[in-house]
Amino acid sequence: GAVVSQHPSWVICKSGTSVKIECRSLDFQATTMFWYRQFPKQSLMLMATSNEGSKATYEQGVEKDKFLINHASLTLSTLTVTSAHPEDSSFYICSARDSSGRADSPLHFGNGTRLTVT
Amino acid sequence: AQSVTQPDIHITVSEGASLELRCNYSYGATPYLFWYVQSPGQGLQLLLKYFSGDTLVQGIKGFEAEFKRSQSSFNLRKPSVHWSDAAEYFCAVGPYTGTASKLTFGTGTRLQVTL
Repeated sequence: GAVVSQHPSWVICKSGTSVKIECRSLDFQATTMFWYRQFPKQSLMLMATSNEGSKATYEQGVEKDKFLINHASLTLSTLTVTSAHPEDSSFYICSARDSSGRADSPLHFGNGTRLTVT
Repeated sequence: AQSVTQPDIHITVSEGASLELRCNYSYGATPYLFWYVQSPGQGLQLLLKYFSGDTLVQGIKGFEAEFKRSQSSFNLRKPSVHWSDAAEYFCAVGPYTGTASKLTFGTGTRLQVTL
């Protein structure tokens, strides 16, 4: 089945540094990928929609300069948390859908990245 | 705006007992409905989905869900729970159109299975 690989699975960084998270669709092409953030014991909150070859679409309240998204190819989207602060610590999950699939083909999720900012 | 409500934050059942996780949704058009399962520190795995047709859908791992339009519900069921089913379960709703789906998730129900 379709696989979405997310890397790294966990990362610890110092406050003020930037962290890049990769999301790859391994056996399908995805013109659109989604980035979610999940706080402990809470649901997933959609942060932004990553569009291949164009700018990402951010949800209300999400700082686009803080969370940089690049979708340079049909199989790779990256989320960069810039100038990270402890409040950015969270679980980040990406998802993607096969662009060539049926309209009802489901989203596939990566295994998430646990970010801890010290 | 679309929304999903999962009334039960935490449920505990004995292994072998039946399970029903509740999900109510609000959506202005024909919805896509999904159930996902998340193990600790992991991403989400799709259990089943409903788009149209038969309102009782079968999924993986012995799960099923029934779409009831009149009640705006999409409850997840399993006749006999296994200890490995302990996880977080999310119900989600999305638009019935397009090649990309922005899903809205419920707050999740944590399932604990006692032996």
